[in-house]
Amino acid sequence: DTAVSQTPKYLVTQMGNDKSIKCEQNLGHDTMYWYKQDSKKFLKIMFSYNNKELIINETVPNRFSPKSPDKAHLNLHINSLELGDSAVYFCASSNLVGTYEQYFGPGTRLTVT
Amino acid sequence: AQSVTQLDSQVPVFEEAPVELRCNYSSSVSVYLFWYVQYPNQGLQLLLKYLSGSTLVESINGFEAEFNKSQTSFHLRKPSVHISDTAEYFCAVRGSGNTPLVFGKGTRLSVIA
Repeated sequence: DTAVSQTPKYLVTQMGNDKSIKCEQNLGHDTMYWYKQDSKKFLKIMFSYNNKELIINETVPNRFSPKSPDKAHLNLHINSLELGDSAVYFCASSNLVGTYEQYFGPGTRLTVT
Repeated sequence: AQSVTQLDSQVPVFEEAPVELRCNYSSSVSVYLFWYVQYPNQGLQLLLKYLSGSTLVESINGFEAEFNKSQTSFHLRKPSVHISDTAEYFCAVRGSGNTPLVFGKGTRLSVIA
């Protein structure tokens, strides 16, 4: 009965490869997010989707492309991976109005070698 | 844009001692404030939140935070910490509408036996 789930939990890949991270929420929320946590634990919003529509797109390289097939899923595809992409990526969900609290997934630790 | 400052990157404290983790936010007409906790190798969990009403909010595990509008602060306190409280603590702020959650840089609480 996991609220927000992500796969995979760990991802090790080489520079130049393309990879995807999947996220699913079963909370009935209408908004989903991707955050990046760097090695210093700093958390930064990357994208946000509301009912499958992109509403927040922070300064992120074009190599990162989110896709939301439905409001319960938000996937993150990364092209041409670079060393600097190594981080923990967190998915989160919430409702756009109301209590505003966000529920986070367990994270995906991406290591680019 | 909203911003959050957590003044202490690391706070070591002995078991059963009191602790305060400081958080200041940039002023805005209306804000929603949150404390999240991240245990080692896990995702973020909501600890407590301030949306409106009483300025003192409490969590189920003994933490409390007080919203102070004049000082733009939302410090987190616990009168007696346990070893299990060792974690990274993040203060976050969000304005109304389609605004993202903005996180502070985190405070590493280390409880020493």
